[in-house]
Amino acid sequence: RKEVEQDPGPFNVPEGATVAFNCTYSNSASQSFFWYRQDCRKEPKLLMSVYSSGNEDGRFTAQLNRASQYISLLIRDSKLSDSATYLCVVRPSGGYQKVTFGTGTKLQVIP
Amino acid sequence: DTEVTQTPKHLVMGMTNKKSLKCEQHMGHRAMYWYKQKAKKPPELMFVYSYEKLSINESVPSRFSPECPNSSLLNLHLHALQPEDSALYLCASSHHSGSTPTDTQYFGPGTRLTVL
Repeated sequence: RKEVEQDPGPFNVPEGATVAFNCTYSNSASQSFFWYRQDCRKEPKLLMSVYSSGNEDGRFTAQLNRASQYISLLIRDSKLSDSATYLCVVRPSGGYQKVTFGTGTKLQVIP
Repeated sequence: DTEVTQTPKHLVMGMTNKKSLKCEQHMGHRAMYWYKQKAKKPPELMFVYSYEKLSINESVPSRFSPECPNSSLLNLHLHALQPEDSALYLCASSHHSGSTPTDTQYFGPGTRLTVL
């Protein structure tokens, strides 16, 4: 089992739709979790950090389920500009300098 | 301000060339990272500097040589690269350098390297 797994997609959704991605992780002692978005040929940019059960930032909600070892990202009222690859990033316990990236989920918002 | 800058944006080099990639941050971060990213793959960690000392080398070939002249600068010296080394090279920095699990990495825009 991979350390961090994501559905690669693509998820093709119409503007205004709500879309959710999941990310599962194998190390139950993982300490912290992040969602980054990456546009084509650009750098990853931090979208949200997820430290406890979850948090919300505008149209974006991230949730953590430690019992089932997954985090989710919910995007409401999708915009064309949300089209990107969403990377799940997990920091395992100890050795806080290293993080593990998922392979990313590609989202395409369609007019 | 969470800005990490990288130069050059693009680099084309031959297999016998020597070149350097540069990364700079002025956020007072004490950890800096080099990642390599191939198309449609996630970033792969290469090196970590913590308080200007190399703390992690992910078994990177010696043709890649990192250097951290001071807490704001990070270089990656390249020599005798192979065509398969062509990739996007990303620099990142973070504040705490291994002391807290909430430490967050911020990425620069990357250098797109092509080795002919």
